[in-house]
Amino acid sequence: SQELEQSPQSLIVQEGKNLTINCTSSKTLYGLYWYKQKYGEGLIFLMMLQKGGEEKSHEKITAKLDEKKQQSSLHITASQPSHAGIYLCGAATLSKLTFGTGTRLQVTL
Amino acid sequence: DTEVTQTPKHLVMGMTNKKSLKCEQHMGHRAMYWYKQKAKKPPELMFVYSYEKLSINESVPSRFSPECPNSSLLNLHLHALQPEDSALYLCASSQGGRVGGYTFGSGTRLTVV
Repeated sequence: SQELEQSPQSLIVQEGKNLTINCTSSKTLYGLYWYKQKYGEGLIFLMMLQKGGEEKSHEKITAKLDEKKQQSSLHITASQPSHAGIYLCGAATLSKLTFGTGTRLQVTL
Repeated sequence: DTEVTQTPKHLVMGMTNKKSLKCEQHMGHRAMYWYKQKAKKPPELMFVYSYEKLSINESVPSRFSPECPNSSLLNLHLHALQPEDSALYLCASSQGGRVGGYTFGSGTRLTVV
């Protein structure tokens, strides 16, 4: 089965600072999803990557999938309190989506 | 409509009760999913329905019984649950495949007393 390890597990950054979250897979990634979750709420879709070397951006969030398709990174530029939450990467197979261990982000003023 | 709607948002039930969680989508997605999420853990897959047929059961105890009445609806029937079953239950739908996109509902917060 595919395992996804995220790092760091938790992160506290000052507002305005940049940060990066990593997602490393035990197998090749063919569809890699990034979601954000506020505590106790549903998952908000951020981005999906499928091609090696692919990079996508939305507002201040950029996600990349490395050439070997076994690692993805999520970068937030000039963090804001609204970025706080839990970030989850997910690997898609033909039949299901399996999640990484999660990264909890806090943004301080 | 690009949403997955889950009801109820919160549910408290006794260990001898029978209750149901409901999930609805109108995006024409062919696959629907139930996930269970404990505190500070990622969501874990429970069941997958593809074209209204159960395709994956991740060894879930029989006190959880899924049902897919039609392509837009997914239910999770609960009976004789244990306190450790308290969790956030998430429903999702997708077009299927690796890049079909997964849309999640806002979840049902279940507490078993």
